Amino acid sequence: QSALTQPRSVSGSPGQSLTISCTGISGDVGKYNRVSWYQQPPGTAPRLIIYDVSRRPSGVPDRFSASKSGDTASLTISGLQADDEADYFCCASAGSYVLFGGGTKVAVL
Amino acid sequence: EVQLVESGGGLVQPGRSLRLSCVASGFTFDDHAMHWVRQAPGKGLEWVSGINWNSGTKDYADSVKGRFTISRDNAKNSLHLDMNSLRAEDMALYYCVKDIAVYTSGWFDSWGQGTLVTVSS
Repeated sequence: QSALTQPRSVSGSPGQSLTISCTGISGDVGKYNRVSWYQQPPGTAPRLIIYDVSRRPSGVPDRFSASKSGDTASLTISGLQADDEADYFCCASAGSYVLFGGGTKVAVL
Repeated sequence: EVQLVESGGGLVQPGRSLRLSCVASGFTFDDHAMHWVRQAPGKGLEWVSGINWNSGTKDYADSVKGRFTISRDNAKNSLHLDMNSLRAEDMALYYCVKDIAVYTSGWFDSWGQGTLVTVSS
């Protein structure tokens, strides 16, 4: 059970788009569609922003989108805003266990 | 409004035991699987354990298998985590987490505020 691989940090200017990748192995990200993404601003609990690879819970703006290709899942934030600054974690459920990525810190310049 | 309120954290010596609890409200508890997820200070998220709606399936991370036991009481809308043989690496903020589904889908749509476990002599 190894953690999924994410870049440690990404940054962008307001209004720009950025993409965070999440790479697993064929037994987790690649095999299942149980991929989700979580946003965690500093000092707060995580919040679900994407589930089932690309579905958004109610209340999550459509600036957040996601996809999966093979063993890599991706989260894209469009029209970057200051309050998007947070840690983002990918997550894959593979049968009897759940894996998180190491997290990506998003900075808005 | 969904509320998940954890309790039971604290300072414990290595090798000792601790029981975490979570009381849920604002949703039909036995319609959802539940989980514990932890986060060491300044670190990422680590899934610890999950239990399906009727306790028929219980899963654990390799790092806690054999030491931790998850359980739930649907009559009391509560979730528990019994932690034995605690180690320094178990020190973390432990979140009680609600799954979207009755089975353990791994999609966590509500999180508590966490209870802090400190393991130190």
